[in-house]
Amino acid sequence: EVQLVESGGGLVQPGGSLRVTCAASGFSFHGYSMNWLRQAPGKGLEWVSYISTGGDTTYYAESVRGRFTISRDNAKNSLYLHMNRLRVEDTAVYYCARSNCVGDCQHPAFDFWGQGNLVTVSS
Amino acid sequence: DIQMTQSPSTLSASVGDRVTITCRASQFISTWLAWYQQKPGKAPKPLIFEASSLESGVPSRFSGSGSGTEFTLTISSLQPDDFATYYCQQYHYYWTFGQGTKVEIK
Repeated sequence: EVQLVESGGGLVQPGGSLRVTCAASGFSFHGYSMNWLRQAPGKGLEWVSYISTGGDTTYYAESVRGRFTISRDNAKNSLYLHMNRLRVEDTAVYYCARSNCVGDCQHPAFDFWGQGNLVTVSS
Repeated sequence: DIQMTQSPSTLSASVGDRVTITCRASQFISTWLAWYQQKPGKAPKPLIFEASSLESGVPSRFSGSGSGTEFTLTISSLQPDDFATYYCQQYHYYWTFGQGTKVEIK
């Protein structure tokens, strides 16, 4: 059974840093590109970042580029999102999601999502 | 950026109703379109990918159609478990979502 479990969220002050982690199990993690998405309270869904199977290709939404860094450790079946210079508007539930195709396919959607982890940026 | 516009934003319906949600892309996306269902406090659940392909385990009352810039999600006979918010998502160029359609009890 595919499982994605996020952790590491919490309360942080504006300008601070935080790292959220996604622990993957039930599939060959190294064979799938991965993603982070988020949802602000009461709002819609927003894609945040993508990382290829080997970690050599990454993409970011304009809203987080230069502040967030996605990474992965295939040996530990783990995905990370390092968030720096956090803003109040980064407050959201952060989801990791698996791309729905094996390898670094050109047009991946998301077929499995974690349960989400709340990050609150407030003074 | 590709903008996705869903309509309506809210839909009131009864059990057994046929429900249709529309999603329009600001530019051509072929059939790189997915639909997700989300209930309060839960992660989105994938329903349809490539505009019309049903995810494994999704009931056949759900169907998707369209290509290019116009897409629809249809629920042929609304069931109590279907009251939720639905999102379309394009994955032709990066990834963007529609604003969501809340299906509520009439």
